[in-house]
Amino acid sequence: DAGVIQSPRHEVTEMGQEVTLRCKPISGHNSLFWYRQTMMRGLELLIYFNNNVPIDDSGMPEDRFSAKMPNASFSTLKIQPSEPRDSAVYFCASSLFRNSADTQYFGPGTRLTVL
Amino acid sequence: AQSVTQPDIHITVSEGASLELRCNYSYGATPYLFWYVQSPGQGLQLLLKYFSGDTLVQGIKGFEAEFKRSQSSFNLRKPSVHWSDAAEYFCALRGGGNKLTFGTGTQLKVEL
Repeated sequence: DAGVIQSPRHEVTEMGQEVTLRCKPISGHNSLFWYRQTMMRGLELLIYFNNNVPIDDSGMPEDRFSAKMPNASFSTLKIQPSEPRDSAVYFCASSLFRNSADTQYFGPGTRLTVL
Repeated sequence: AQSVTQPDIHITVSEGASLELRCNYSYGATPYLFWYVQSPGQGLQLLLKYFSGDTLVQGIKGFEAEFKRSQSSFNLRKPSVHWSDAAEYFCALRGGGNKLTFGTGTQLKVEL
């Protein structure tokens, strides 16, 4: 299996621009998670989906952030407009959710820098 | 509310020495507990997990962890550290549902 695939791996943009991060979960997995990692706040769950439906988006910082999962094999996290404080590493993870003991598999992350 | 505390931000050990990374949790019932490792520029890789049964859990790369309910702890151990173990280690908890709560991580440095 190819694992969780994220693109791009690195993104540098200017303040005010729209940024779209992409994730392809492991085939057959039914849960998908977006995390953000910063030095100050560590790893934070932004949103997660079960069977393509957003279940908990309480971690999404503000309205500038939005996430979609149009099908079981693709998800996007969009920031519009981007701000320097959005600079972080964004991870996507997926799992086959059957009970709380299942394992989340993480992608390599997208390092976002907003100038 | 659930939380995870990793009291050590940085730890340095000599290659070949034993290692113990501490993790304490707060949760009202028996949690599911995980240890992940993150190498520089990489995503997180699962080392091991506890969800029931034997409180001593074996993982990959020679790591093990022991769940101690009385101490609300899930410490990670390795008897002999290799230079390639240098990385950041995260303890995580899942209560009910599908959300993982992570600790702040422990950065491990291995001296040759």
